[in-house]
Amino acid sequence: AAGVIQSPRHLIKEKRETATLKCYPIPRHDTVYWYQQGPGQDPQFLISFYEKMQSDKGSIPDRFSAQQFSDYHSELNMSSLELGDSALYFCASSLGRVSYEQYFGPGTRLTVT
Amino acid sequence: DAKTTQPPSMDCAEGRAANLPCNHSTISGNEYVYWYRQIHSQGPQYIIHGLKNNETNEMASLIITEDRKSSTLILPHATLRDTAVYYCIVRSNFGNEKLTFGTGTRLTIIP
Repeated sequence: AAGVIQSPRHLIKEKRETATLKCYPIPRHDTVYWYQQGPGQDPQFLISFYEKMQSDKGSIPDRFSAQQFSDYHSELNMSSLELGDSALYFCASSLGRVSYEQYFGPGTRLTVT
Repeated sequence: DAKTTQPPSMDCAEGRAANLPCNHSTISGNEYVYWYRQIHSQGPQYIIHGLKNNETNEMASLIITEDRKSSTLILPHATLRDTAVYYCIVRSNFGNEKLTFGTGTRLTIIP
């Protein structure tokens, strides 16, 4: 069965650079969630989209922005990168407004040097 | 979402049942209990969820107390591949709500 696809899987950037992470949800899933997991920490919710509209926002820095496109894929744009942005970034998708399971992708490991 | 409390770590012998407790004393009537697990830096994986009745699927069983203030996830025959961090999460099923991860229980299956 198709799963959530994230690209790239690994990314190395320098401070003050920008990064774009991509997420391709499971086919027919209309909701996308982004989570950040710092080293030794638990996943933290960043932002979510339902039917291409932002549906919820967590502790996402102002330097980050995201959107969901017409084909339901999503991109997380990160600017002015800081060392503290080094983390695993997970995308998850689900179906419908009454969603039981969120299916997570394998994550993108971002390292800022 | 209601907060949850889990033991930080547990060990279980391979082949035995692993019982993971979770307290959620402030859970509200429309909130479900969800369990996810994360195997070493992989994306979290859904295990099971329930409202007030006990639930069972191919992975695990979920026992929720009658007052809904606590629950137990049961892995009936633990294998080494079940070593992971297990998260108990309480959330509503409406509005595409986010998952709020707590600290979870690090379960180690011992050969």
